[in-house]
Amino acid sequence: AQTVTQSQPEMSVQEAETVTLSCTYDTSESDYYLFWYKQPPSRQMILVIRQEAYKQQNATENRFSVNFQKAAKSFSLKISDSQLGDAAMYFCAYKPRAAQKLVFGQGTRLTINP
Amino acid sequence: DVKVTQSSRYLVKRTGEKVFLECVQDMDHENMFWYRQDPGLGLRLIYFSYDVKMKEKGDIPEGYSVSREKKERFSLILESASTNQTSMYLCASSAPGQLNEKLFFGSGTQLSVL
Repeated sequence: AQTVTQSQPEMSVQEAETVTLSCTYDTSESDYYLFWYKQPPSRQMILVIRQEAYKQQNATENRFSVNFQKAAKSFSLKISDSQLGDAAMYFCAYKPRAAQKLVFGQGTRLTINP
Repeated sequence: DVKVTQSSRYLVKRTGEKVFLECVQDMDHENMFWYRQDPGLGLRLIYFSYDVKMKEKGDIPEGYSVSREKKERFSLILESASTNQTSMYLCASSAPGQLNEKLFFGSGTQLSVL
């Protein structure tokens, strides 16, 4: 079975500093997508960043970047220059290219300390 | 922007009641999903639908059923609500092969079964 594991239930960081959220996954597929979603207190899930497995280059979206290690099945999210608005639950997710459904991790609650 | 609307933000029901959770999307997406979100467990897929009147079981379908009579609407039904179905329910939609495989989420329904 395909599984996604986020081993950090909670993380905290000082405003303006950098934090890395961890995610590992288990799959026998070679072609898939990986995602990080953010869920703020409003509960509205927002896509933060997306990575295609066949692309070696790590995805970047402004202050958000990933470290994708395909062989290790690791997909961590780095948030640079943390802002108060980054406080949220962060979910890592996986989807095989041929499938329609996403598999989510357990989530990491990120707190930003002013 | 795509809008996914869930009919209720909060819902309180009694054990044994039949409960309907409604979800409507306005972007003509083929796929629609119902996830359940619990602390420490992340998001778990209950059911999904890839076309009108088509449905597939997710990882935790027991105690739930779904209905998709029109493309824009996907309903989750709790035939006889139980206290262990107290949870946050998230509806999502997607267009296969489009929009970077992104899921669009509603704001969730927090269901309490007493």
